[in-house]
Amino acid sequence: DAKTTQPPSMDCAEGRAANLPCNHSTISGNEYVYWYRQIHSQGPQYIIHGLKNNETNEMASLIITEDRKSSTLILPHATLRDTAVYYCIVRVTNDYKLSFGAGTTVTVRA
Amino acid sequence: DSGVTQTPKHLITATGQRVTLRCSPRSGDLSVYWYQQSLDQGLQFLIQYYNGEERAKGNILERFSAQQFPDLHSELNLSSLELGDSALYFCASSVTGSTNEKLFFGSGTQLSVL
Repeated sequence: DAKTTQPPSMDCAEGRAANLPCNHSTISGNEYVYWYRQIHSQGPQYIIHGLKNNETNEMASLIITEDRKSSTLILPHATLRDTAVYYCIVRVTNDYKLSFGAGTTVTVRA
Repeated sequence: DSGVTQTPKHLITATGQRVTLRCSPRSGDLSVYWYQQSLDQGLQFLIQYYNGEERAKGNILERFSAQQFPDLHSELNLSSLELGDSALYFCASSVTGSTNEKLFFGSGTQLSVL
């Protein structure tokens, strides 16, 4: 999968929006940006994905820059249960693997 | 609940032994993925199956093998176990395994090799 760069960790205050950045400067035109999270030792959980348009679902919003070289995952009102490792993944077309990097460890504090 | 079922949840065994991990995908999903997560390696892709056929392979050791059966459940076989094989093993499923689909993960099997 195309390389992504995420900060290793970040803190967020409960009730505030959490903005998680991801750089993917080598992304190609037909590659999707995916976000998953893993809450301590549980199976990873799908959050959202997008190609070029901004996306929103019940969990989060995904903002992709016009040049597609970076994106931001927004958790609108972070709760303590959002403490997890968040993975930004660019999925290469016709590459059936889904490869996880190191992700960002997000800690939501009361 | 993702709908993906993995058994057993915990497995303790000795070096040199062989174990089988089982995964039942979500109803209707044809593709199954296996991942290994150890403390120092993160989530590593092992192998993917689609409708019984191997589709993609990661850094899976020769001592490990997997298969997907006609009823679409999958098994991961680990043999000649070493201490370093101790890890969480996750199974995931998706409808067809294409690159614009989300994966649903099971809760994992914790393998401890003593």
